[in-house]
Amino acid sequence: DAKTTQPTSMDCAEGRAANLPCNHSTISGNEYVYWYRQIHSQGPQYIIHGLKNNETNEMASLIITEDRKSSTLILPHATLRDTAVYYCIVRVAGGTSYGKLTFGQGTILTVHP
Amino acid sequence: DVKVTQSSRYLVKRTGEKVFLECVQDMDHENMFWYRQDPGLGLRLIYFSYDVKMKEKGDIPEGYSVSREKKERFSLILESASTNQTSMYLCASSSPSSLPGEQFFGPGTRLTVL
Repeated sequence: DAKTTQPTSMDCAEGRAANLPCNHSTISGNEYVYWYRQIHSQGPQYIIHGLKNNETNEMASLIITEDRKSSTLILPHATLRDTAVYYCIVRVAGGTSYGKLTFGQGTILTVHP
Repeated sequence: DVKVTQSSRYLVKRTGEKVFLECVQDMDHENMFWYRQDPGLGLRLIYFSYDVKMKEKGDIPEGYSVSREKKERFSLILESASTNQTSMYLCASSSPSSLPGEQFFGPGTRLTVL
């Protein structure tokens, strides 16, 4: 699975959009981009995933560049409850490892009042 | 609402004790996973299971074993707990019909071995 690079930490004002970048320059054509977050003292929570098109759900939007070497997770109106560690993961769709996920260090997002 | 539950949020054990961590999911998922999470090391996969009575080693299986006797339950066993097994343990499940990257996690068990 491709390696990802994320900033260690970011800040955002409440009500503003939070844009979290992820670099995955070695991504292969059959690898998806997944985003998870982990709020303090809880297990990780799946947010969104994408292959090459931009995606949106009730939690966030995912923008993937045309060359697929990077992506951005967008929380359109950040709230204090969005303060968490955000993980960008690249994972092949199939394979024999039955969905093993490799979590890196992630980005600590702090939303300020 | 989908749910993965773990038997304890906090656990304190002594070195050499046998420790059982239980995980139950109510989504009829075939795949279940045990991870441990340590500061600076992220989440690391210990074992996973893709069916009842089936198990596969993850990246750090040493010192651990698992049991999957029923589809909804996946147990992690520390045969003889050691202080370097002090960690946050996370259980997850997924369905083969969804993408492999979509996993549902439990709240975690923070284990301290004295």
